[in-house]
Amino acid sequence: AQTVTQSQPEMSVQEAETVTLSCTYDTSESDYYLFWYKQPPSRQMILVIRQEAYKQQNATENRFSVNFQKAAKSFSLKISDSQLGDAAMYFCAYRSRGAGSYQLTFGKGTKLSVIP
Amino acid sequence: DSGVTQTPKHLITATGQRVTLRCSPRSGDLSVYWYQQSLDQGLQFLIQYYNGEERAKGNILERFSAQQFPDLHSELNLSSLELGDSALYFCASSVDPVPYGYTFGSGTRLTVV
Repeated sequence: AQTVTQSQPEMSVQEAETVTLSCTYDTSESDYYLFWYKQPPSRQMILVIRQEAYKQQNATENRFSVNFQKAAKSFSLKISDSQLGDAAMYFCAYRSRGAGSYQLTFGKGTKLSVIP
Repeated sequence: DSGVTQTPKHLITATGQRVTLRCSPRSGDLSVYWYQQSLDQGLQFLIQYYNGEERAKGNILERFSAQQFPDLHSELNLSSLELGDSALYFCASSVDPVPYGYTFGSGTRLTVV
């Protein structure tokens, strides 16, 4: 079974600075998807960014980018120019590419605080 | 509004009772997923339905059951409730097999007293 580990329960960043959230995963599969989800106090789960394992290029979405290291099974999220609205829980998630099984395996989450 | 509707938003009930959580997926999505989010277990996959049929099962207790109806809405039934069942229950939907992330609903907060 796949596992996802987020080793930083809490992090903080100054507004306008850059922060990196860590995620490692364990899998025997070679093809899969990785995601970062944001959960603000409203508790809504919001997809931040997605990475396909067969793509070597790191995904980017505006101020959010990932550092995907397949051999190391590492998938970190970098938030640039942090804003107050970025304060939330961030969850790393894994999904197999296997047919018929689209469930997500989540890490425990990292609580990000943004300091004005 | 994500397009995935969950009702009710909050539910308080006593131990031993039975409750039903409802989810309407985003228009066009055939798959519905149920997740449980608790402080100690994190986000746990419970069950997936695709176009009315059960597709995958996760860590779902025998006291819990779900179904997806012809109009694609889904219900999660929780019975013989225990204090430990208190959690946030999320429904998500997706267009499978397209491998995008899900769209989540805003969740139902269940409190068992």
